[in-house]
Amino acid sequence: GESVGLHLPTLSVQEGDNSIINCAYSNSASDYFIWYKQESGKGPQFIIDIRSNMDKRQGQRVTVLLNKTVKHLSLQIAATQPGDSAVYFCAENGGATNKLIFGTGTLLAVQP
Amino acid sequence: GAGVSQSPRYKVAKRGQDVALRCDPISGHVSLFWYQQALGQGPEFLTYFQNEAQLDKSGLPSDRFFAERPEGSVSTLKIQRTQQEDSAVYLCASSLPGGTYEQYFGPGTRLTVT
Repeated sequence: GESVGLHLPTLSVQEGDNSIINCAYSNSASDYFIWYKQESGKGPQFIIDIRSNMDKRQGQRVTVLLNKTVKHLSLQIAATQPGDSAVYFCAENGGATNKLIFGTGTLLAVQP
Repeated sequence: GAGVSQSPRYKVAKRGQDVALRCDPISGHVSLFWYQQALGQGPEFLTYFQNEAQLDKSGLPSDRFFAERPEGSVSTLKIQRTQQEDSAVYLCASSLPGGTYEQYFGPGTRLTVT
């Protein structure tokens, strides 16, 4: 099938290395941010979220950092595994209805 | 499973045909969203329901797009007189009500207009 990764920025890492995926968001009024993982042919899958009153949040093997000054979000994946290969999107909440505004996406390619 | 389901998974339509895409949200999820994802792009918001009320349809690209959720559960996205630029993956997501609840996505329907 077609890949959702076409035309996307690509990050290539070796298995076992740490990965850092960056994202710039647009609205300084956004108060909630999410990282999603999307594998080919599937819908986005929740990874981790963070509210604007925090600057760091940790999950299992993942950490999200939020820098509101420069409107920058990053996702760190520790000990990257082949199963982490996917497209990663950051998203911010946009308005009272909580619709999500997605960034461009980054294709993470893990080399065994 | 208990996740969001969508049908059909794939749909091929000739230009000018009408299509209907179905979304079954997670049971008990009040909020339902539709997104459109073009190849190589992030999902883009189309419309939002809270129960049966369509509270935001600002993302619908034209009046050929129509969505409904008559009983506050299953939702249908209808596209009339399909055009080639409508070719995309249509994603449905549901969530609990509230300010920051995560949205759970279905697998999407890939629409190809020939």
